[in-house]
Amino acid sequence: DQQVKQNSPSLSVQEGRISILNCDYTNSMFDYFLWYKKYPAEGPTFLISISSIKDKNEDGRFTVFLNKSAKHLSLHIVPSQPGDSAVYFCAASALSGGSNYKLTFGKGTLLTVNP
Amino acid sequence: KAGVTQTPRYLIKTRGQQVTLSCSPISGHRSVSWYQQTPGQGLQFLFEYFSETQRNKGNFPGRFSGRQFSNSRSEMNVSTLELGDSALYLCASSPDGQSYGYTFGSGTRLTVV
Repeated sequence: DQQVKQNSPSLSVQEGRISILNCDYTNSMFDYFLWYKKYPAEGPTFLISISSIKDKNEDGRFTVFLNKSAKHLSLHIVPSQPGDSAVYFCAASALSGGSNYKLTFGKGTLLTVNP
Repeated sequence: KAGVTQTPRYLIKTRGQQVTLSCSPISGHRSVSWYQQTPGQGLQFLFEYFSETQRNKGNFPGRFSGRQFSNSRSEMNVSTLELGDSALYLCASSPDGQSYGYTFGSGTRLTVV
């Protein structure tokens, strides 16, 4: 049973436009969510996170939105740049108990930003 | 400061053999976690160690084991290798195991033939 789902295996956008990556989760115990970016042959790099007490967190070109009632989060990248081309993983954890000390990942979305 | 170091970077083993992978965490980090990445399954949690104790374990068979030493370095072992064990094995370290503090290494690419 996959508790974190990224239903789009790939996404292609034009440079300068907005990239929107989506993620759904099923476990109500999850209260902290993260996005990682991964290039081939490298480990995932932390991008941005959000706690369940918030509905939005911004860091430069990256914004994460959380809709707790829908158990849905999204990552917006504006404007998209060719260097953003990578696999993006959504991850969740239960800081307040449950499945602590581990991250549950989605299967990833390959973002391609075309010049 | 040095990042998370995983050795070796690449490994080819034969089915039925065993393998040991190593992870050196960032200095001062006491928690080490291991994840398996495969094309079809994404990243899946294997186990987490803190101060030489396993605190959490994922849904993997007993052929997968790990340990942590007093200097926080960690090893994972896979015995009786199967073709399906071919994957990228990633190690992450953090100060205390909380999810907001993870730093990942570059991984060990294991190929079982």
